Amino acid sequence: GAGVSQSPSNKVTEKGKDVELRCDPISGHTALYWYRQSLGQGLEFLIYFQGNSAPDKSGLPSDRFSAERTGGSVSTLTIQRTQQEDSAVYLCASSLVSGGPWDEQYFGPGTRLTVT
Amino acid sequence: GEDVEQSLFLSVREGDSSVINCTYTDSSSTYLYWYKQEPGAGLQLLTYIFSNMDMKQDQRLTVLLNKKDKHLSLRIADTQTGDSAIYFCAESGDAGNMLTFGGGTRLMVKP
Repeated sequence: GAGVSQSPSNKVTEKGKDVELRCDPISGHTALYWYRQSLGQGLEFLIYFQGNSAPDKSGLPSDRFSAERTGGSVSTLTIQRTQQEDSAVYLCASSLVSGGPWDEQYFGPGTRLTVT
Repeated sequence: GEDVEQSLFLSVREGDSSVINCTYTDSSSTYLYWYKQEPGAGLQLLTYIFSNMDMKQDQRLTVLLNKKDKHLSLRIADTQTGDSAIYFCAESGDAGNMLTFGGGTRLMVKP
C-alpha cells in the first residue's frame, strides 16, 4: 500500500518568507509526527499528533513554527518568516498506535528546505 | 533532557562484522530502536528491543542492550556493500510516542 508521502520534495525560499510543508500519513494511522534533520542538530522531534488529543508541541523550536492536522489525516507544518537556520530536511512519520511494541513509525521521504 | 549519542563513523571490509554503539541517558526508556537511512531515502526501521530484553537477533542483525550502563549496540554479521548507510539509534518512553534520536553513525563498507 501507499506509504507516507510529503510535498514538496524540495523547497527553496527567501529569508523572511512563509512556507508550508505537507504530509499525507498512511491511511488509518492515528499518530503523526514531524521531525527535522539538520547538519548541526541531527534528527530532532518537532510535534506529535495523536487522534483527537491536543498535539505535543514540545519540540517546536520557536513560535514561528506551527502545525495542523485536519480531519485526523493530512498535516501541514508552517514556518513563518523563515530564517537560514531553518534549512533542513523535514521528516514526517505516522504510526498505527495499537498499544503494543510494534507501533513502527513509518517515515516519509522528507522535504528538503533551503532558506537563502 | 534525554540524550542519545553515537560515534560518527565506522568503516569495515565486506564480509566482516560491524558493531555500531549507542549510549542513552533516559532511564525510563522503554523501547530502543535502530533505523537505517540510505542516501536520498527515508528512515527505515531495522529492529527494536524492549527494555526488559538483553538481546534480540533477527537474521544478520543482533541487538544487545545493557540497561545498567544504558548501552545499546547493533551487530551486523557478514556486512555487505548494500549495508552502507547511516544508522540511527532512538529511544522512546512508550510505543507510539515521539522518538529521541542519536546523531547517526555512517557505516562505510569497503569491497
